[in-house]
Amino acid sequence: DQQVKQNSPSLSVQEGRISILNCDYTNSMFDYFLWYKKYPAEGPTFLISISSIKDKNEDGRFTVFLNKSAKHLSLHIVPSQPGDSAVYFCAARLGAGNNRKLIWGLGTSLAVNP
Amino acid sequence: DTGVSQDPRHKITKRGQNVTFRCDPISEHNRLYWYRQTLGQGPEFLTYFQNEAQLEKSRLLSDRFSAERPKGSFSTLEIQRTEQGDSAMYLCASSFEGAQPQHFGDGTRLSIL
Repeated sequence: DQQVKQNSPSLSVQEGRISILNCDYTNSMFDYFLWYKKYPAEGPTFLISISSIKDKNEDGRFTVFLNKSAKHLSLHIVPSQPGDSAVYFCAARLGAGNNRKLIWGLGTSLAVNP
Repeated sequence: DTGVSQDPRHKITKRGQNVTFRCDPISEHNRLYWYRQTLGQGPEFLTYFQNEAQLEKSRLLSDRFSAERPKGSFSTLEIQRTEQGDSAMYLCASSFEGAQPQHFGDGTRLSIL
């Protein structure tokens, strides 16, 4: 039972354009959402996060949007750069009383073409 | 480098052997998590510690797996009598309390021959 779903295994975008990565979840007990970026042979690197009480968080080229009613979040990268090419994971945190562990999606592989 | 450190980076062993991995978290972090990641999957939670106390173990953690964090600093994950299905990347992460984000090490890639 996949509680965090990233339905697009891969995405290809032209340099300078916008990359939009999507994530859907099913558990209403999630209170915090995070995006991690992962390069081959490295551990996941934290990118940006959003609390469930907010609907948008922005950090430079990265913006995360949360639609609680739809149980959907998205990561926007603009403008996309070749160095953004990596696997992006959406992760959701179970709230207090559930040990705050992270539940992960399967990842979306982003390729930014020069 | 004050990030999460894992050792070794790679481990190749024969089926049936025991292996042990080590994780050194960020020094001020009192929570330490172990995850396992296989190809095409996201990390899967295995277990976590708050200081030296192991507070939760996943169903994925069979009796062949044991984790310790004796002094509340570094942690070890041991797999006894390894099986082919144990081949994976084992990731360690740390945080202060339940605060996010969890910071990850580069993992130990285990290959079972």
